Amino acid sequence: AQTVTQSQPEMSVQEAETVTLSCTYDTSESNYYLFWYKQPPSRQMILVIRQEAYKQQNATENRFSVNFQKAAKSFSLKISDSQLGDTAMYFCAFGRKKLTFGTGTRLTIIP
Amino acid sequence: DTAVSQTPKYLVTQMGNDKSIKCEQNLGHDTMYWYKQDSKKFLKIMFSYNNKELIINETVPNRFSPKSPDKAHLNLHINSLELGDSAVYFCASSHAREVETQYFGPGTRLLVL
Repeated sequence: AQTVTQSQPEMSVQEAETVTLSCTYDTSESNYYLFWYKQPPSRQMILVIRQEAYKQQNATENRFSVNFQKAAKSFSLKISDSQLGDTAMYFCAFGRKKLTFGTGTRLTIIP
Repeated sequence: DTAVSQTPKYLVTQMGNDKSIKCEQNLGHDTMYWYKQDSKKFLKIMFSYNNKELIINETVPNRFSPKSPDKAHLNLHINSLELGDSAVYFCASSHAREVETQYFGPGTRLLVL
């Protein structure tokens, strides 16, 4: 069975600080994709960043970057220079056609 | 220029009723999905259609019936609604050539009384 574990149910950091959200997963597949989605209070699911499992280079999108360790099946998200608008639930997901989601981390950015 | 849209955004109904949720995408994608997010925020896939053909059908009661009239639309009909059906239902779409990234609609909050 494919599983995704987000071990931090809640986190909070001061504005402008850096925060890392952890994610581990379990799969027997070798070809898959990994995603971080953000769900603000508006409920919309917004793609933050994605990573192809066959690529060794870690993906980066502006202030967001990942640390992908395929052997350890770890896919953490780093948010640099955090902003108030980053306050949201963050979901880690992996798969191909069928995405398996983690239980989410509620991140609060404190002014 | 909404990419993935759902109607309605909110749905309050009585137990035993039948209701439908509609989804449309204007991204030119060939695959569409329905996910259910429960009260603990856990997201789980329900169905997926590729070019109007059902390709994923998770363990979902047969009271739930998806219908895809064309590639741009995927509707979800629910018969005999139960209290446990209360959740947020998300539609998503993807294109196989674009890293299979799924783009989500705004969600439909269903409350069964």
